[in-house]
Amino acid sequence: QVQLQESGPGLVKPSETLSLTCTVSGYSISIGYYWGWVRQPPGKGLEWIGSIYHSGTTHYNPSLKSRVTMSVDTSKDQFSLILNSVTAADTAVYYCAREDYGSGMDGWGKGTTVTVSS
Amino acid sequence: DVVMTQSPLSLPVTLGQPASISCRSSQSLVHSDGNTYLNWFQQRPGQSPRRLIYKVSNRDSGVPDRFSGSGSGTDFTLKISRVEAEDVGVYYCMQGTHWPLLTFGGGTKVEIK
Repeated sequence: QVQLQESGPGLVKPSETLSLTCTVSGYSISIGYYWGWVRQPPGKGLEWIGSIYHSGTTHYNPSLKSRVTMSVDTSKDQFSLILNSVTAADTAVYYCAREDYGSGMDGWGKGTTVTVSS
Repeated sequence: DVVMTQSPLSLPVTLGQPASISCRSSQSLVHSDGNTYLNWFQQRPGQSPRRLIYKVSNRDSGVPDRFSGSGSGTDFTLKISRVEAEDVGVYYCMQGTHWPLLTFGGGTKVEIK
């Protein structure tokens, strides 16, 4: 069974860069699926951020596209999220997940809380 | 963009009674491949979301059969035949027909009366 674990700083200053990594176990990223990020602001719903394939092909939410970059390291079974120029509105729990294409996310990490504050 | 609208926002239910959540999309979710990619997720308090149902009515492994999904086109429903205490949480619908852009509904909070 696939397992995912997010890691990265829990506190980021406004205007700086948020950087998170997801480590996958129980499944090799190189085999297939897309690998994505979803966030959830405090007390609010879920927002899809984007996803990446092992080839490096990416898809981003248009609302965040100008600030998001995703990358993948198949040798480590890891994929990463970079979000630039953060503001308080980017404060959220960030989840990494395995995307089963149109059928949504069939595996989720536990989530990591990122707070944007000076 | 496809907008997903859920109702109600909050659903108080008596233990053992049925519950029903509605999800409507602003565009048809019938894909050119013939499938309808409407999925349901459960998020229990303090936990990560978990997929319950994919492609309208297919239950994920380990999901109790008291959960069922139905619908077509733009109107979909998640039903719980008899609510149990462990069903408390927020339920989200999500469309994948317009993949790679995935969109969630706003969520429905199920609580026990």
